[in-house]
Amino acid sequence: AQSVTQLDSHVSVSEGTPVLLRCNYSSSYSPSLFWYVQHPNKGLQLLLKYTSAATLVKGINGFEAEFKKSETSFHLTKPSAHMSDAAEYFCVVSDRRTGRRALTFGSGTRLQVQP
Amino acid sequence: EPEVTQTPSHQVTQMGQEVILRCVPISNHLYFYWYRQILGQKVEFLVSFYNNEISEKSEIFDDQFSVERPDGSNFTLKIRSTKLEDSAMYFCASSEDSLAVNTEAFFGQGTRLTVV
Repeated sequence: AQSVTQLDSHVSVSEGTPVLLRCNYSSSYSPSLFWYVQHPNKGLQLLLKYTSAATLVKGINGFEAEFKKSETSFHLTKPSAHMSDAAEYFCVVSDRRTGRRALTFGSGTRLQVQP
Repeated sequence: EPEVTQTPSHQVTQMGQEVILRCVPISNHLYFYWYRQILGQKVEFLVSFYNNEISEKSEIFDDQFSVERPDGSNFTLKIRSTKLEDSAMYFCASSEDSLAVNTEAFFGQGTRLTVV
């Protein structure tokens, strides 16, 4: 079985300061990992994905995430937050080995950016 | 840029009524999905669809739910007799290939279903 734990339900940062959104996963073998973002009244947009290539993954809008197998983590970071980054962020896992066609979502982290 | 589109954006229905949520996946995609998010809860998988049949479904997807690809472009979710607890945001998604390989799912903007 696969699961995702997002360690913080809310994160608040000041504009221009670094962002860290934490995610730990559990997967039977070989996961694909994703970060999606949801702005108010918008759909889920893919930020970045890890699918067994480079462990440091760069995404859109300056976000990146590092896959650490030893820690079963896939934390999302950004060096400098922007007001437009305020949104809900979801860490998501799929299990490539079992061929499950479902994505498993974390509970989400709401990012607030203070001026 | 191609996108998944869902209609309507909001739907209010009376308990016991049937609703159909509509989705137009990205045109060259072969795998289609429905997820839902009850307010304050996680996004949950409902069903995946490939080659005109259900390939996987969750325990949530019981007999009151059905999916269909009635033509070459639309993908629908039908709830036969809505309950109050069906109130949620429903997301349609599509992917070019199976999520078992190096691919990603593209999501629509969601349909907010309110059952009264």
